[in-house]
Amino acid sequence: EAGVTQFPSHSVIEKGQTVTLRCDPISGHDNLYWYRRVMGKEIKFLLHFVKESKQDESGMPNNRFLAERTGGTYSTLKVQPAELEDSGVYFCASSQDQRGRFRFFGPGTRLTVL
Amino acid sequence: AQSVTQLGSHVSVSEGALVLLRCNYSSSVPPYLFWYVQYPNQGLQLLLKYTSAATLVKGINGFEAEFKKSETSFHLTKPSAHMSDAAEYFCAVSASRSNDYKLSFGAGTTVTVRA
Repeated sequence: EAGVTQFPSHSVIEKGQTVTLRCDPISGHDNLYWYRRVMGKEIKFLLHFVKESKQDESGMPNNRFLAERTGGTYSTLKVQPAELEDSGVYFCASSQDQRGRFRFFGPGTRLTVL
Repeated sequence: AQSVTQLGSHVSVSEGALVLLRCNYSSSVPPYLFWYVQYPNQGLQLLLKYTSAATLVKGINGFEAEFKKSETSFHLTKPSAHMSDAAEYFCAVSASRSNDYKLSFGAGTTVTVRA
């Protein structure tokens, strides 16, 4: 069974550009989470989807970030326009149970904003 | 709200020696606790988790952790370090009740293993 996949694995963009990150959860997992780790700090929660609905988006840093999960399958996280402080690793995770006791993480997308 | 504190951002051990990584948590409700490992250039992999069953939890690769409510701790141990254990380790907590399902991570502990 395929795990959580993320694309691209690395992205290098200029400040002010737009980047879209994609996450494909494990098949059948209704719960999808986005996290990020910036500047070697703690991994921080961004948001949680249950199917196509946003259950909790309290961690989204500002309105430059837009997450979608149309159809309740894969999710995209768009950063527009990107700023230097957005550099970091963006992780996606999925779980079948809403409490996330069995949560699987993807390999992450390393975003560098120059 | 939930939070964790990992004591020591870097730990260096000799091959064959005990690995001990410390994690203390704070939670307003009974917690779920997790240890994740990130090997170089890889994603986060679950080592083990405590979800209110046995307090001594055994995970993959010979790691185990003990939930101690009185000490609010969930320290990770491995009796004998192997070179392949060199990685970054994260302790994380989530709520077992309430509508707050998000994981809160510690800052991470990087483990190096000396030959």
